[in-house]
Amino acid sequence: GQNIDQPTEMTATEGAIVQINCTYQTSGFNGLFWYQQHAGEAPTFLSYNVLDGLEEKGRFSSFLSRSKGYSYLLLKELQMKDSASYLCAVNFGNEKLTFGTGTRLTIIP
Amino acid sequence: EAGVTQFPSHSVIEKGQTVTLRCDPISGHDNLYWYRRVMGKEIKFLLHFVKESKQDESGMPNNRFLAERTGGTYSTLKVQPAELEDSGVYFCASSQDTGFGYTFGSGTRLTVV
Repeated sequence: GQNIDQPTEMTATEGAIVQINCTYQTSGFNGLFWYQQHAGEAPTFLSYNVLDGLEEKGRFSSFLSRSKGYSYLLLKELQMKDSASYLCAVNFGNEKLTFGTGTRLTIIP
Repeated sequence: EAGVTQFPSHSVIEKGQTVTLRCDPISGHDNLYWYRRVMGKEIKFLLHFVKESKQDESGMPNNRFLAERTGGTYSTLKVQPAELEDSGVYFCASSQDTGFGYTFGSGTRLTVV
């Protein structure tokens, strides 16, 4: 199967940095997405990685290593509103996304 | 631009009844996708339309599910008859180009009792 693994829950402190990891099976890889989802709302696009390296976008950065089947989402200067689920999703070349179960991030004061 | 709109936001029906979910994609987006999240599990692909044609329906669970996209605009997903295991959140997404830049709707939470 095309399993996507990410931690179920994480907790971090306001103002700090948190890294959410995602691993996947490398066969057929054609791009990796990170989405943020607040409860009861639509998943919203955060980042897209298809080549190795770090993509930075404001407080959020995403890293990809294709050979290792590994990505992480880095959130800096955490704010209370960053409490949400973070979804890692991979395109395995068939125009549909395969999702992990998501990481529920809780920010504490 | 208006986002992806789904209706209803919530639906509670009895086992054996029929429910129809609707999705209005972003105007001009040829690609429309249906996904589903069952409680405690990951979001899973159901099917993909390109305009009015079904490009990939490999994720449809069984023949109780019927998706249509007449005219290549909005789409409906009908569940008939509904079973308890159909409960979950049904998401619709649209994109202009395949494989990139999905915009998701807020989902329809379906509860079958």
